[in-house]
Amino acid sequence: AQSVTQLGSHVSVSEGALVLLRCNYSSSVPPYLFWYVQYPNQGLQLLLKYTSAATLVKGINGFEAEFKKSETSFHLTKPSAHMSDAAEYFCAVGNNQGGKLIFGQGTELSVKP
Amino acid sequence: DARVTQTPRHKVTEMGQEVTMRCQPILGHNTVFWYRQTMMQGLELLAYFRNRAPLDDSGMPKDRFSAEMPDATLATLKIQPSEPRDSAVYFCASGLVRGLPGNTEAFFGQGTRLTVV
Repeated sequence: AQSVTQLGSHVSVSEGALVLLRCNYSSSVPPYLFWYVQYPNQGLQLLLKYTSAATLVKGINGFEAEFKKSETSFHLTKPSAHMSDAAEYFCAVGNNQGGKLIFGQGTELSVKP
Repeated sequence: DARVTQTPRHKVTEMGQEVTMRCQPILGHNTVFWYRQTMMQGLELLAYFRNRAPLDDSGMPKDRFSAEMPDATLATLKIQPSEPRDSAVYFCASGLVRGLPGNTEAFFGQGTRLTVV
């Protein structure tokens, strides 16, 4: 069965610092991987997705993620955090047999001034 | 501006009452998901539909939950009878599957915050 694990339920960084949110996947077939962001009292919105076209994927708001098959990882990074990046971030894997999206537990990002 | 619309946004109800949540997917999308979000369990997939047919509802407690798509523009999630442990935010999402389904982006509504007292 496909799954994703997000390491760290809370991450705190200073404004301007590097953001690194970790996601590891489990899949017996090449996975489709996604990162979503959820702002308070909002639904989730797509940041980026990996579809095997390129291992480094660029998304919205300056975020990017790198697919590393050898490490079964798809970590999300941003070079310089902004206060507006404070939100909850979810990694997800897409199931090819039905199309359902399976989410990790989420990582709450705090940005300190 | 295409978006998934959920109603109501907030619902407070007494234990034992019936609750119906509604979702209007993005026009043209052929897949609808229902998720429940709680602090303890995170995001759980309750059920999903393709072309209005249920594909998987194994995440739903069958004795009290039901999900339907009466037509392509409306999905409903019903709880009867409701219990305090059903208190959560319920999200509907829709997507357009073309080719490989695992590659499909889901567009989320803003959720229905349900409180059962």
